[in-house]
Formats: sequence, structure tokens, C-alpha cells
Amino acid sequence: DSGVTQTPKHLITATGQRVTLRCSPRSGDLSVYWYQQSLDQGLQFLIQYYNGEERAKGNILERFSAQQFPDLHSELNLSSLELGDSALYFCASSLRTGAFFSGANVLTFGAGSRLTVL
Amino acid sequence: AQTVTQSQPEMSVQEAETVTLSCTYDTSESDYYLFWYKQPPSRQMILVIRQEAYKQQNATENRFSVNFQKAAKSFSLKISDSQLGDAAMYFCAYSAGGTSYGKLTFGQGTILTVHP
Repeated sequence: DSGVTQTPKHLITATGQRVTLRCSPRSGDLSVYWYQQSLDQGLQFLIQYYNGEERAKGNILERFSAQQFPDLHSELNLSSLELGDSALYFCASSLRTGAFFSGANVLTFGAGSRLTVL
Repeated sequence: AQTVTQSQPEMSVQEAETVTLSCTYDTSESDYYLFWYKQPPSRQMILVIRQEAYKQQNATENRFSVNFQKAAKSFSLKISDSQLGDAAMYFCAYSAGGTSYGKLTFGQGTILTVHP
């Protein structure tokens, strides 16, 4: 158990639908990152939050959005789903943004949420 | 933009032998970090080893070590005394430092098979 909890583990839905993926970071970690792993695109960074604020955006579609709540858990919302959105979505957390304490600032990944769009 | 290339889609090794996985990267940054992650069939991403670009000494973690060639932008992973549990997909990853830390750019991955 990495300490990063993602729910649900598996999700099957239809095109056009909307889903929410949830992530609870490791205790004490302030930064949350979302990654997508698909056969076509490989592993790619989507978005980062630090202590409730968006810090960085990657290749995240406009149909996707995320937020981090005061208790530091994060949700990734995927809407108007398409077949190509089928993927494994990872959440990772780290102690703080930046690498000032790089010895402790390791990204720890959750087990992922597997989304299948039919 | 930074890129990470793993030129070996698949590698195999005999149990107890040594194997080296290759990775090259491209960046114009001076402050960056390199990582090797392991993804077993469970799909969990597990950090194997990390290298800070400013450190000349190659990182080592038990049976895992890296050969970091900064000028050549090469970052290979050596697994010594391979074990059956080492079988997995291995990803090389890059992160710039500072406020960009954690935005990992991954390579395509190398599937490692360990034969008993």
C-alpha cells in the first residue's frame, strides 16, 4: 500500500457520460498530480494541485477538470466521454511542490483507476 | 520540450544475471531529476531509483544502479542479480526542478522478462 488511495479501481461507462475519479494523497503530502496512461499516448501528465491551488497543467483536455479540496483530497472530472478516454488514471502525491527537499519529495503513485468507455 | 526515449521495447534476462535498460533524454534545463519507475502486472507505479542532475555520483539502491552520463543525456538502469520479481514494465522519467518538479515526462517503457 503506497498510502495514496484512488477510487474507484474500475469504472465502465458509456460515451457521452461524466465520471469523477477520487484521490486521497499520502498523509502529509500537499501536492497532488494526475496522470493518464493509455495505449496510444503512453503515460502523460495532466494536472497538478498544491494545497488547493492549481499549479501546473499538462495535456489535459477541456472536457476534463480537477480540483483539490481543503482536506487535500482531489477529484478528476471527465465529461462528454469518448472511446479514446479509456485509460488508467493515476494520482500521485508529494510533500511539497518544488524540489527543495528532494530527499523527501518523491512522487508516490496510487494504484490507479481504470476507466473503460463503451 | 523535454523528451525521453527508451529504445528497447523488450528485454530479457536470466535469473541471477545482470541486465541494463537504456534511456536517453533531451532537455535544455540545468536543474532536473531523472527516475526509473517499475510497473508490475498489478499496474502500480513503483519508484526504483532517482538521480539528481547536479550530483555526479551515480545513484544506487541495493541491486539497482544507474549510469548517468550528463553530457550524453543518457540514463541507463542496471539490475544486478535479477530476480523473478523484477519482471515488469520499466519507465524512465524526467522532471525539471524548481516549481516544475513533479511534471514527469515518461519514456515509452521497456518490458523486462526474467527467465528462471
